[in-house]
Amino acid sequence: NAGVTQTPKFQVLKTGQSMTLQCAQDMNHEYMSWYRQDPGMGLRLIHYSVGAGITDQGEVPNGYNVSRSTTEDFPLRLLSAAPSQTSVYFCASSYLGATGTGELFFGEGSRLTVL
Amino acid sequence: GENVEQHPSTLSVQEGDSAVIKCTYSDSASNYFPWYKQELGKGPQLIIDIRSNVGEKKDQRIAVTLNKTAKHFSLHITETQPEDSAVYFCAATFEGSARQLTFGSGTQLTVLP
Repeated sequence: NAGVTQTPKFQVLKTGQSMTLQCAQDMNHEYMSWYRQDPGMGLRLIHYSVGAGITDQGEVPNGYNVSRSTTEDFPLRLLSAAPSQTSVYFCASSYLGATGTGELFFGEGSRLTVL
Repeated sequence: GENVEQHPSTLSVQEGDSAVIKCTYSDSASNYFPWYKQELGKGPQLIIDIRSNVGEKKDQRIAVTLNKTAKHFSLHITETQPEDSAVYFCAATFEGSARQLTFGSGTQLTVLP
């Protein structure tokens, strides 16, 4: 199984450009999420989804949009990139289950640099 | 919301020694506490978790302890090996909260040969 696949792995943007980070999972997980990882700040939740057609904001949603049209895909859109969005982005998915909590499966990350 | 503090930010140990990483959380409603390991260039992976109905959980060389009264939990790695070198993250959440995990800031563990 591929698990969680993120593309691209590396991207350089100029301020004001837009782009989409792609995330796909083949585990039929209901839950998908996007985190950003910055030095000394751990992993911060940007947006998440508990199923197709349902999305919600996390801790740091400003400047990012998401949609969930299928169970498998959860793209993250930057509409107008800013240097503050330079970061490593991780997509993660999980099975919700009876407790609503369990193991998160992460992709390998997408390193974004905004000049 | 939940706030998780993690210490230390870096930790170096000799191979074979033990390593301890500590986390505190702020929301007394939190009842699920996982630990993730991130190897260089990879995404984090779950290594162990604990729920609030137990005080300690072990899995081979890894153990986690939880003190709900003090709102802190710790990761213990015994007989460390070079492959234990990685960044470790603690996290906390209330089960059923759509998995809005709050992560600590991470600990870079280096095991020296």
